[in-house]
Amino acid sequence: GNSVTQMEGPVTLSEEAFLTINCTYTATGYPSLFWYVQYPGEGLQLLLKATKADDKGSNKGFEATYRKETTSFHLEKGSVQVSDSAVYFCALSDTGFQKLVFGTGTRLLVSP
Amino acid sequence: DAGVIQSPRHEVTEMGQEVTLRCKPISGHDYLFWYRQTMMRGLELLIYFNNNVPIDDSGMPEDRFSAKMPNASFSTLKIQPSEPRDSAVYFCASSFTGGGSQPQHFGDGTRLSIL
Repeated sequence: GNSVTQMEGPVTLSEEAFLTINCTYTATGYPSLFWYVQYPGEGLQLLLKATKADDKGSNKGFEATYRKETTSFHLEKGSVQVSDSAVYFCALSDTGFQKLVFGTGTRLLVSP
Repeated sequence: DAGVIQSPRHEVTEMGQEVTLRCKPISGHDYLFWYRQTMMRGLELLIYFNNNVPIDDSGMPEDRFSAKMPNASFSTLKIQPSEPRDSAVYFCASSFTGGGSQPQHFGDGTRLSIL
């Protein structure tokens, strides 16, 4: 079945550091890939998405590229801020389906 | 634009009581999802609806849980009787048909504590 694997957290960084959160997936079809972010006390919010191979999703300085050859969708940001501290979820949905398969989430802690 | 609206935001009740969680999806969305989030188990999909019809309820933990969607703008998740292990944050999300490429939009959740 479809699955998503994320790196274990927490990831602890200083402000302005470079961020990478790894995400790999297993899917039988041609999934769409998503990154969601969850701030404390809130629901998940869509951060970015990519719907086909080699697509790059970007938003708020975050980027992720859909790599079919390595079945990966790693999240990156060049310079993190304290306000980026949150839990980040990688997810996929298979072609024709609205149901999402989520990774376990990676907590990011950014210190001043 | 109004997002997904859940109520109540917090619920504290005693074991054995009936609990009803409510959700209003985004207007025009034809999919609705109920999730549960705990530290131990992470984010779990409980059930989802398409056009008010339950499509997959395989994530519902047991018969104490039930969900309904009487119309396109309202859904409930009911737990009867409630137990302490049901304590969690329950999220509702909605989306519209898009061949799998449309994102889900989440509410802010209901934090449920069963004493």
